[in-house]
Amino acid sequence: QKEVEQDPGPLSVPEGAIVSLNCTYSNSAFQYFMWYRQYSRKGPELLMYTYSSGNKEDGRFTAQVDKSSKYISLFIRDSQPSDSATYLCAMSVFDAGKSTFGDGTTLTVKP
Amino acid sequence: DTAVSQTPKYLVTQMGNDKSIKCEQNLGHDTMYWYKQDSKKFLKIMFSYNNKELIINETVPNRFSPKSPDKAHLNLHINSLELGDSAVYFCASTGGGSTDTQYFGPGTRLTVL
Repeated sequence: QKEVEQDPGPLSVPEGAIVSLNCTYSNSAFQYFMWYRQYSRKGPELLMYTYSSGNKEDGRFTAQVDKSSKYISLFIRDSQPSDSATYLCAMSVFDAGKSTFGDGTTLTVKP
Repeated sequence: DTAVSQTPKYLVTQMGNDKSIKCEQNLGHDTMYWYKQDSKKFLKIMFSYNNKELIINETVPNRFSPKSPDKAHLNLHINSLELGDSAVYFCASTGGGSTDTQYFGPGTRLTVL
């Protein structure tokens, strides 16, 4: 069983929709939770980062962590065609020196 | 200024050849990584170096040999290339501390024919 499981997708939504991207994990030692966005033929870039249960908001993006359920989500409000990309969740243990990535969910937002 | 750069961007080569990919970061980070991303987008860590020392080696064939001449550079040499080595290879770096937030290079798309 993988330490991090991500909803596989692909996901296709109309412009303006609310998007929910989800990951579950099995390692209760994970303390840091990240979402990366990867455009086609580009490297992943950090989108959001959090280390506590609850919600963290940044513009149209909200990262949600539920440590009791070992579940994290990324919500995108008012989705735009420019949000079309692959989204990767990632998690790490304090000072482990590495992050464990989910397999990624490819999102397409249609105008 | 490019934070993490890789060369070449594309690499097409025959089976059995030896090739190298270079990575440089100008972020002053201590830790650098090599990842392999296959056609299904799964990002798998291969190696991690901290201040020129190997700290993570994730069951990668011996044909892959990383080299870090200084903490700003991490190169990847691949011997006897195989078809299954075709993938996108990403270099990344992190400043360490508690976040482990990684900054990725643009990737090197390797195609083995």
